[in-house]
Amino acid sequence: DGGITQSPKYLFRKEGQNVTLSCEQNLNHDAMYWYRQDPGQGLRLIYYSQIVNDFQKGDIAEGYSVSREKKESFPLTVTSAQKNPTAFYLCASSIPGYTEAFFGQGTRLTVV
Amino acid sequence: AQTVTQSQPEMSVQEAETVTLSCTYDTSESDYYLFWYKQPPSRQMILVIRQEAYKQQNATENRFSVNFQKAAKSFSLKISDSQLGDAAMYFCAYSLIQGAQKLVFGQGTRLTINP
Repeated sequence: DGGITQSPKYLFRKEGQNVTLSCEQNLNHDAMYWYRQDPGQGLRLIYYSQIVNDFQKGDIAEGYSVSREKKESFPLTVTSAQKNPTAFYLCASSIPGYTEAFFGQGTRLTVV
Repeated sequence: AQTVTQSQPEMSVQEAETVTLSCTYDTSESDYYLFWYKQPPSRQMILVIRQEAYKQQNATENRFSVNFQKAAKSFSLKISDSQLGDAAMYFCAYSLIQGAQKLVFGQGTRLTINP
């Protein structure tokens, strides 16, 4: 079945450590996105990529980094520079110009 | 910058009744999409309905319909014959038509269905 797979579902990180969240899609979509969700708030855009080897910052990119070496994959690294990384992270993909974005099931990151 | 506002943090409705969720947005663009997404306890984001700004006709999808008022920048969601499975967080979202589909979300409305 086509879709977006995020792993792991739950992730724990010690303060000062970098951690990488995985996002893989087999929908053949060109564009991929990372969103962050905090309680009582909607989703906010971290980074997005419209094509392999190219990506742009979203509204809250500080403390995060991404790569897009393959069309199918768009991993997100939460660095130690991110002051408050505990949140729910959602990956999405779409065909540019098409109306619908498809979402993965998310990763819950907790700093311990 | 575009913004989306949902002024109802929580709503509740009796099963089989009708409920309307409110959303307002701000943009200087003329061509854009508006969406309602549902997030059940599984936290998977599910597209409920979408509206193209250039279309005057309000979108409908079975029990879900919207009231799109472009001049007022208002985009409400009406759920008819509410069912227990409709209980979820509902997010209003906006994106431009051109370029990357960067979604701007509202804060969400938690909908409870009372049996």
